[in-house]
Amino acid sequence: AQSVAQPEDQVNVAEGNPLTVKCTYSVSGNPYLFWYVQYPNRGLQFLLKYITGDNLVKGSYGFEAEFNKSQTSFHLKKPSALVSDSALYFCALYSGAGSYQLTFGKGTKLSVIP
Amino acid sequence: DGGITQSPKYLFRKEGQNVTLSCEQNLNHDAMYWYRQDPGQGLRLIYYSQIVNDFQKGDIAEGYSVSREKKESFPLTVTSAQKNPTAFYLCASSTSNGSFYGYTFGSGTRLTVV
Repeated sequence: AQSVAQPEDQVNVAEGNPLTVKCTYSVSGNPYLFWYVQYPNRGLQFLLKYITGDNLVKGSYGFEAEFNKSQTSFHLKKPSALVSDSALYFCALYSGAGSYQLTFGKGTKLSVIP
Repeated sequence: DGGITQSPKYLFRKEGQNVTLSCEQNLNHDAMYWYRQDPGQGLRLIYYSQIVNDFQKGDIAEGYSVSREKKESFPLTVTSAQKNPTAFYLCASSTSNGSFYGYTFGSGTRLTVV
């Protein structure tokens, strides 16, 4: 069975500081990994994905994520946080086989403090 | 522009009433999904459909029903059998063959029992 873990329910960071939102996964085979962001009362918006290739993936709004196969992690990062980055972030996994379904983490609430 | 549209944005249901949430996409995606989101509980899969005229139960299908008569449309009915329907409902779509790029989400419907 495949799974995604986001070990932190909430992350607080000061504006201008670097931010990291953690994600680890478990899957047999090669994973497809995604990050989505959700603002209040809105749907999820795609940020970035890793399917193959370069382990460092760059996405929307200055976010990036690093795929680490040995640590089975896909942490989301940004060098300098903005107050407008405050939102709920979801990591998601597709196993690359079978039905085209994503397994989601429970989400991490990011609060950027002015 | 291609996208996925959910309506209405807000919906109020009286006790014992069935209500239907609309989800329409013009992305030519084969697969569509319904999720329920409660505070602090992440996303829970209600139903999904990978092809017209076929759908499968997700993790929390009890008290819900769906239909998939057209590729573009995947309405969700919340029946009176659903005892605690107040939640935020998200519809998503994706490809179901060939390359997979994750889900596209609608903007959600907030259902409240009054």
